[in-house]
Amino acid sequence: AQKVTQAQTEISVVEKEDVTLDCVYETRDTTYYLFWYKQPPSGELVFLIRRNSFDEQNEISGRYSWNFQKSTSSFNFTITASQVVDSAVYFCALRGYGNNRLAFGKGNQVVVIP
Amino acid sequence: DTEVTQTPKHLVMGMTNKKSLKCEQHMGHRAMYWYKQKAKKPPELMFVYSYEKLSINESVPSRFSPECPNSSLLNLHLHALQPEDSALYLCASSQDLAETQYFGPGTRLLVL
Repeated sequence: AQKVTQAQTEISVVEKEDVTLDCVYETRDTTYYLFWYKQPPSGELVFLIRRNSFDEQNEISGRYSWNFQKSTSSFNFTITASQVVDSAVYFCALRGYGNNRLAFGKGNQVVVIP
Repeated sequence: DTEVTQTPKHLVMGMTNKKSLKCEQHMGHRAMYWYKQKAKKPPELMFVYSYEKLSINESVPSRFSPECPNSSLLNLHLHALQPEDSALYLCASSQDLAETQYFGPGTRLLVL
């Protein structure tokens, strides 16, 4: 079974503050893939990152950074110096090797207040 | 270019209507997906096509009928829908079943 938990449902921050979104996952697979998607109010899910289970390097892309820790089964996402355009729902997702289904978390609604 | 297009953007239909949702990608992807998303919920997988063949049907009611006419197109035919079928319908594609899924903008469906 695969499960993704995103505990914080709605997070409000003032513009330029940092915000961290927690993602905790459960899987019996030794090889698996983790994803983050952004869903702005327009509805489209925008792919942000994919991380393979055997690659624990953290990643930074502009104001976005990801912290993958297998020891705690977590794949957290930080937005630095948030902007109003970051307001969206962010989904963490998991897919096990050989499994064609993405298991989504419930999503984090991020509201950036100008 | 990671673009998946969907038409129409919005659709309002009565419970006796027949309509179709369309999805297109020109990335050479061989897997395509339909998801249903209710408000404040994550997407739920409905169907998966791989190399134009239905690979997964997540026990979706027969009033939803998918079709994959070629490797670039995916349709979802709707007939005799219920008001609870109102949702955002998302299409996605991936290089193959093991690769990252890229989503379209969705069709917002309202069933009256």
